[in-house]
Amino acid sequence: DIQMTQSPSSLSASVGDRVTITCRASQSISNYLNWYQQKPGKAPKLLIYAASNLQSGVPSRFSGSGSGTDFTLTISSLQPEDFATYYCQQSSNTPFTFGPGTNVDLK
Amino acid sequence: QVQLVESGGGVVQPGRSLRLSCAASGFTFRSYAMHWVRQAPGKGLEWVALISYDGSKEYYADSVKGRFTISRDNSKNTLYLQMSSLRAEHTAVYYCARVFKEGSVTYDYWGQGTLVTVSS
Repeated sequence: DIQMTQSPSSLSASVGDRVTITCRASQSISNYLNWYQQKPGKAPKLLIYAASNLQSGVPSRFSGSGSGTDFTLTISSLQPEDFATYYCQQSSNTPFTFGPGTNVDLK
Repeated sequence: QVQLVESGGGVVQPGRSLRLSCAASGFTFRSYAMHWVRQAPGKGLEWVALISYDGSKEYYADSVKGRFTISRDNSKNTLYLQMSSLRAEHTAVYYCARVFKEGSVTYDYWGQGTLVTVSS
C-alpha cells in the first residue's frame, strides 16, 4: 500500500498569511494527488486534483504543485473561511489512501 | 444539481449487519463510478470501496474485504454498502462520493454522511 504523510499535522496562522502544507507519498504516484478541505461536521470538499488543477469554483488563492512523491498545497492569503482540515489523497493505486490531515487554525 | 443522500446508519450491536444506501440525483448515475469513504470519530478519512459505473467491478480496502459489499441499482439511482459482522472499529461516518470522471479517483461530490455506531 502507498502511505501518505502530511506536514505539519497542525498549524496556527493569521488572516492574510501564506500557508504551505506538504504531502509525501511512500512511492511515486506521478501526479495522481488530490487535495480536500474539510470543516467540522461537513463532508470534504475537492480543492485540487491531479496535483495542480484547481477545481471549478475554488478560489485562486489555493494552488497545488509537485509530482512523484512530494506535493504542496499553498494558500496564498489565508481567509477566515479557510480555517479547516486539509487532506491529500493518492489516486494512483488501490487502496486510495489519504494523508492524516493538517489542521489549520487561528493564531 | 448533483445530490447524494446517504441513509441507513444508526446504532447496531457487534456481529450484526447493516445496509447503507446513497440516493443519487441531478446527474446520470449509471455513467459514474462510485465510492464509499469513512471517517471514524475524530480521525481522518479512509477509503472503503469502489464500484464501476455498471457494477461489473468492485474493489475494497483490506480492512473491510470479506465483510462489506458494495453494490448499485442503476434503475433506482442508488448505491449500497452491505456491512456484516460489524465490530467497534467499524464505527464511523460513512460517505458516498462520486468520481470526477470515469477512470479517475477524484471525488467532486460527496454525500452528507451517515453515522454508524457499533456498540452493545
